[in-house]
Amino acid sequence: TQLLEQSPQFLSIQEGENLTVYCNSSSVFSSLQWYRQEPGEGPVLLVTVVTGGEVKKLKRLTFQFGDARKDSSLHITAAQPGDTGLYLCAGDRTGNQFYFGTGTSLTVIP
Amino acid sequence: DTGVSQNPRHKITKRGQNVTFRCDPISEHNRLYWYRQTLGQGPEFLTYFQNEAQLEKSRLLSDRFSAERPKGSFSTLEIQRTEQGDSAMYLCASSPGQTYGYTFGSGTRLTVV
Repeated sequence: TQLLEQSPQFLSIQEGENLTVYCNSSSVFSSLQWYRQEPGEGPVLLVTVVTGGEVKKLKRLTFQFGDARKDSSLHITAAQPGDTGLYLCAGDRTGNQFYFGTGTSLTVIP
Repeated sequence: DTGVSQNPRHKITKRGQNVTFRCDPISEHNRLYWYRQTLGQGPEFLTYFQNEAQLEKSRLLSDRFSAERPKGSFSTLEIQRTEQGDSAMYLCASSPGQTYGYTFGSGTRLTVV
């Protein structure tokens, strides 16, 4: 059983469209991170959110941590082919490790 | 510093053989993690070191798996008597502290035939 469920699992969109990826859990996390991973490489950290309700922006990417610190969302505006990849959320419960979500595979078609 | 380095990048081995992977973390990072990732899934935690001490191990880490981090520097992950189910990407990450996020290496892709 995955601690963090991501939806959708797969997403294929046209360049210029907007999209939102969701990361949900029944557990409370002290912090949550988002990573992007390209094939054959390790995940790369995008952002860390630590406060319930927190919103962070990274260029065209907007990250939000739920008020109860159980869920998060990633919104991409005007997607570009370079955004293609596997998006992973990861939550910290114990202070010793991050639990990773199931992942959302995004393909942006030129 | 060139980031987290993992060797080898790829390993093909026959079932029943032993394999060892190496991870060189970012030198200032005292935390080191091993994760396993199968195709299309998120990474699954295997074990965690703070300096040379192994502080947590997942139940996924059966008695065929062992990890070390002598002197709190590089780490090795050994799998004995490999099985086809061990085929996966093995990722190493390091961090200066829990709230800082992980820097991952490029991983070692293991294929057991």
